[in-house]
Amino acid sequence: EVQLLESGGGLLQPGGSLRLSCTASGFTFSSYALSWVRQAPGKGLEWVSTISGSGVSTSFADSVRGRFAISRDNSRNTVYLQMTSLRVEDTAIYFCAKDHYVLGTPYYFDSWGQGTLVTVSS
Amino acid sequence: DIVMTQSPDSLAVSLGERATINCRSSQSVLYSSNNKNYLAWYQQKPGQPPQLLIYWASTRESGVPDRFSGSGSGTDFTLTISSLQAEDVAVYYCQQYYSAITFGQGTRLDIK
Repeated sequence: EVQLLESGGGLLQPGGSLRLSCTASGFTFSSYALSWVRQAPGKGLEWVSTISGSGVSTSFADSVRGRFAISRDNSRNTVYLQMTSLRVEDTAIYFCAKDHYVLGTPYYFDSWGQGTLVTVSS
Repeated sequence: DIVMTQSPDSLAVSLGERATINCRSSQSVLYSSNNKNYLAWYQQKPGQPPQLLIYWASTRESGVPDRFSGSGSGTDFTLTISSLQAEDVAVYYCQQYYSAITFGQGTRLDIK
């Protein structure tokens, strides 16, 4: 059974930084791309970033490009989202999602974690 | 960016009746080289993460009941639930993966 467990969320002030982690199990980790998708409270879904199975290829939404970085440690079955220069509008539940393919270009997401809440507020 | 627009924003359907949700993309998500529509559907129940229902516009994910079906091509797509069950109450999202990723705004489905 595929499992994705996010951690690292919290409350912080605008301009701050935070690193989210997503630890996976139940599949061959390096064979699949992983993504972060966020959902502001009571709102819809917004794709944030994707990293290929090898970690070489990454992609980002325009709203976070230059502020967020994505990486993965295939020896630890973990993907990270480093968030800097955080804004109030980054407040959301951040979901880790497994792509159906290995590429850094995202496709569709066949497994999701429960999410971790990031709140940016002064 | 490709904008995905769902309709309606919410609907209520009686148990056992058909529910239809529409999704329109601002440009075609049909890739001519492989004749595939880069369109997926998800279901999100309260307090839960989304769950993949349909990909390539009409391919049902493993384990998804066959009352769920997807159709359409190019810019216009439909998710149909043939006979609504109580457990289908949720918000449904379409998502294109033709160019980056964008989601529709969601459609809330309730029981009438």
